[in-house]
Amino acid sequence: ELKVEQNPLFLSMQEGKNYTIYCNYSTTSDRLYWYRQDPGKSLESLFVLLSNGAVKQEGRLMASLDTKARLSTLHITAAVHDLSATYFCAVDNRNSGYALNFGKGTSLLVTP
Amino acid sequence: DAGVIQSPRHEVTEMGQEVTLRCKPISGHDYLFWYRQTMMRGLELLIYFNNNVPIDDSGMPEDRFSAKMPNASFSTLKIQPSEPRDSAVYFCASSFFGGRITEAFFGQGTRLTVV
Repeated sequence: ELKVEQNPLFLSMQEGKNYTIYCNYSTTSDRLYWYRQDPGKSLESLFVLLSNGAVKQEGRLMASLDTKARLSTLHITAAVHDLSATYFCAVDNRNSGYALNFGKGTSLLVTP
Repeated sequence: DAGVIQSPRHEVTEMGQEVTLRCKPISGHDYLFWYRQTMMRGLELLIYFNNNVPIDDSGMPEDRFSAKMPNASFSTLKIQPSEPRDSAVYFCASSFFGGRITEAFFGQGTRLTVV
């Protein structure tokens, strides 16, 4: 069974600061995903990481993947209030039909 | 494409009633997933289909839950009879495998409240 652990689960940070969210997973995975969810809304795909050493950046968010350590990070640079949301990492595996296994999410609040 | 479309967006029903949730996946996608989200358990996979065929329903909590996909553009998740602990947000998602699978695209969800 694929297990996905995120930490921290809750994060309050000031605008302008940097921080990293961590995602560990338990077994070999084909892909790692980061999603964003605003309160009461759906899940929006942010990044898909396909291979060891993959790094992707979009605005103030940068995601990386280390398949040997089974670790992905989501780094936030110079946070702004608009980044307040819940961030989920998820992994899939061809043996489970590419169904996503989600972490519990990191609830991020960016304050002035 | 309008994305994954779910209906209804909100459903309030009394315990014991039948509830049917509906999903239209993105055209051309061959995988369809049903997830349930609660504060306590997070996002749980209930069932997924490939080319309209149910592949894994091990996440369906009880026999009260059933799902169908009669064609490539429509799926339903039915709860009969419903119970208060079924209250959750139910998401449908679809993806495409064309040699390399895309990420799953999620619908807006159905917020179910069973009273």
